Amino acid sequence: KAGVTQTPRYLIKTRGQQVTLSCSPISGHRSVSWYQQTPGQGLQFLFEYFSETQRNKGNFPGRFSGRQFSNSRSEMNVSTLELGDSALYLCASSTGTDEKLFFGSGTQLSVL
Amino acid sequence: GIQVEQSPPDLILQEGANSTLRCNFSDSVNNLQWFHQNPWGQLINLFYIPSGTKQNGRLSATTVATERYSLLYISSSQTTDSGVYFCAVPEAGGGNKLTFGTGTQLKVEL
Repeated sequence: KAGVTQTPRYLIKTRGQQVTLSCSPISGHRSVSWYQQTPGQGLQFLFEYFSETQRNKGNFPGRFSGRQFSNSRSEMNVSTLELGDSALYLCASSTGTDEKLFFGSGTQLSVL
Repeated sequence: GIQVEQSPPDLILQEGANSTLRCNFSDSVNNLQWFHQNPWGQLINLFYIPSGTKQNGRLSATTVATERYSLLYISSSQTTDSGVYFCAVPEAGGGNKLTFGTGTQLKVEL
């Protein structure tokens, strides 16, 4: 069974641009969560989608948004990029609530 | 929100040595997960362990939910064990909103 797939692996953007990251969960998994990892703040929860509905949201500004499609694939979007948005963005999938999380390899975003 | 603390923050071992990593959390939780982040950034789920003890090869984990802590044991360490070990617990209210600890950076040397 294929694991969680995130694309692209690396991204370089400039301030003010927007970016879209993609995540394909493990087949059969309906929950997709997104996390941001930075050296200063560690791993922080962004949001979770389950059956195309946002189920939980972290403490990030509205510039961070996401969605989930009917095939459970998910995208997250960051608009008006800031230097502080440079981070490793990790996607995780699971079958449902309070279940084991499986992470993708992440997208390393650099904002110049 | 829930607080998660890990110790030690850094650990250097000689290959073959054993170690114990600790995770303390501030509130009752439904589950706890241990992850290993390798040098390439990949987070690997090691254990899903709400309570009790689980073993997987040279690794084992114990969670004592009533005392709000979990331990990860690594025996006969290998250089491939190097990386950062995180524990994570869910926020109250369900879902998969996990709070991660700050991690233990492990380096295993020959």
